[in-house]
Amino acid sequence: NAGVTQTPKFRILKIGQSMTLQCTQDMNHNYMYWYRQDPGMGLKLIYYSVGAGITDKGEVPNGYNVSRSTTEDFPLRLELAAPSQTSVYFCASSYSSGGLSYEQYFGPGTRLTVT
Amino acid sequence: RKEVEQDPGPFNVPEGATVAFNCTYSNSASQSFFWYRQDCRKEPKLLMSVYSSGNEDGRFTAQLNRASQYISLLIRDSKLSDSATYLCVVSSSGGYQKVTFGTGTKLQVIP
Repeated sequence: NAGVTQTPKFRILKIGQSMTLQCTQDMNHNYMYWYRQDPGMGLKLIYYSVGAGITDKGEVPNGYNVSRSTTEDFPLRLELAAPSQTSVYFCASSYSSGGLSYEQYFGPGTRLTVT
Repeated sequence: RKEVEQDPGPFNVPEGATVAFNCTYSNSASQSFFWYRQDCRKEPKLLMSVYSSGNEDGRFTAQLNRASQYISLLIRDSKLSDSATYLCVVSSSGGYQKVTFGTGTKLQVIP
């Protein structure tokens, strides 16, 4: 099992550019998440998905979009990049059943700089 | 009140010391509890789940106090390699099991 994989590892964007951060998991987890983590700060939830075709906003969704067409993939789209989106982005997945959620597994992160 | 609160530290302890972290949560309906470890510039990784009866994994002991709504992590015989940020994670039950991460407690083990 590769677990959760993310691409790219690093990216520098100019203000106003767009990009998609890729996330794939091979654990057949139903839940997937996108977080951002600014230097020295905690994780902030951007979007999450409870299954294919279902997504919802987290704490800081503005400036981002997601889709979940398959169980495995959960890409994050940045439109019109701004310096405030400079951060490390983590994708995670977990299994949930019977009203309980289990531990999240994280990808290695994408370090994004917007200049 | 924050949903999950942790003392940010840093906790600077000598090698071999015992150190304990607490984490308080506000939602009494919370059902699942975890401690994660995050090294600098790396992704968080599960350290251990926290069960109602308490659980131990080597030098690490986690406990849950539902009445007072806190979980704790005890690290015995601290190693240099234990230096990291420790994240408390709380999950609710129900239709969407909302998962809330604390902002973390930084531990620095000193030679």
